[in-house]
Amino acid sequence: EVQLVQSGAEVKKPGESLKISCKASGYNFTNSWIGWVRQMPGKGLEWMGIMYPGDSDTRYSPSFQGQVTISADKSISTAYLQWSSLKASDTAMYYCVRDPSVTTPYWYMDVWGKGTTVTVSS
Amino acid sequence: DIQMTQSPSSVSASVGDRVTITCRASQGISSWLVWYQQKPGKPPKLLIYAASSLPSGVPSRFSGTRSGTDFTLTISSLQPEDSATYYCQQAHSLPPTFGQGTRLEIK
Repeated sequence: EVQLVQSGAEVKKPGESLKISCKASGYNFTNSWIGWVRQMPGKGLEWMGIMYPGDSDTRYSPSFQGQVTISADKSISTAYLQWSSLKASDTAMYYCVRDPSVTTPYWYMDVWGKGTTVTVSS
Repeated sequence: DIQMTQSPSSVSASVGDRVTITCRASQGISSWLVWYQQKPGKPPKLLIYAASSLPSGVPSRFSGTRSGTDFTLTISSLQPEDSATYYCQQAHSLPPTFGQGTRLEIK
């Protein structure tokens, strides 16, 4: 069974750094695209970016470029999303997602993690 | 970015009803359109890809069609477990963008 298991909820203060994780299993992690989708409280879905762990090719939405960093560790089949300086507006649910393509992205998500809640408050 | 506009924003229907949700793209996206279903407190679930293809395990009462830049999700006979928010998403170009969602309530 293909699974994406995300790290637990986080509560942080503005200005702090954060790295959340997503461990993949049940498929070839290296040869699939993995990424992140944001959902702010009571709002819709926003695609943030994806990475191909095989060669670290990373594509970001212009809205999130420079705001977050997507990375991966192939040795442990884990993807990461990190912030260097959190803002209150980063408060949201973050979903780890898989793009089903093994070559160029298909730009949609066939597998979703359960989500990681990030709360940023002073 | 390609804008995706869903309608209606919410709908209420009875078990057994036929329900239609529409999504319009701001420019041509061919058939690169997907639909997701999200229940409260859960992650979205892929419902339809390539405008009309159902992933394994999705009930056949769900269907999708395309007419130009207009796309439709139809539930042929509404079931209680279909209560959810439905999102369309264009998969044509970077960045992928979503519609604002349609909340489906069972009467």
